[in-house]
Amino acid sequence: SAVISQKPSRDICQRGTSLTIQCQVDSQVTMMFWYRQQPGQSLTLIATANQGSEATYESGFVIDKFPISRPNLTFSTLTVSNMSPEDSSIYLCSVVGGQGANEQFFGPGTRLTVL
Amino acid sequence: GQQLNQSPQSMFIQEGEDVSMNCTSSSIFNTWLWYKQDPGEGPVLLIALYKAGELTSNGRLTAQFGITRKDSFLNISASIPSDVGIYFCAGPIQGAQKLVFGQGTRLTINP
Repeated sequence: SAVISQKPSRDICQRGTSLTIQCQVDSQVTMMFWYRQQPGQSLTLIATANQGSEATYESGFVIDKFPISRPNLTFSTLTVSNMSPEDSSIYLCSVVGGQGANEQFFGPGTRLTVL
Repeated sequence: GQQLNQSPQSMFIQEGEDVSMNCTSSSIFNTWLWYKQDPGEGPVLLIALYKAGELTSNGRLTAQFGITRKDSFLNISASIPSDVGIYFCAGPIQGAQKLVFGQGTRLTINP
């Protein structure tokens, strides 16, 4: 399976600021996704990061709040904009790989705390 | 939309005991995935199931794809301390590669 890294691993930010999270994969992948995991909760899909085109957002998530870039097949960024304490979560990127078409592999996550 | 209901939400067991957890849905899934998440880490894929009735093992872990395609279970035999963590079931949203996740089962083991 692909090796996925994320930067930063954690951050503490002030309300109203923005943070950009990077996701780097060691091989070219077609499908990349961004998830949010609120404290003590399960994972919720934010968007599909599409290479060369705008990301596809899930219901409840908008581009102005979570702009995503996907400049190539190994890299993507997620920005959490104008943060509030409710944005405190773990943000995870994932890629499709493995034997099956639906197997996803996750990065280590970015733990964000907003004060 | 498609949802996964996972139970139990938490389990407190003694080391050496067997563990069983399950995942159900009102919708049909073509794939069932089981993940484990350790504190401070991303989820790690344990087992993937692709056929109704399929029973697959990975070491002490065994998972089954329900015949109705609306459920799956995960068993852990002879639990050890490193089994502690949160276990998630997941499945692809119909017609897409996007995943929906269950609420998770938090496993705690008393030595």
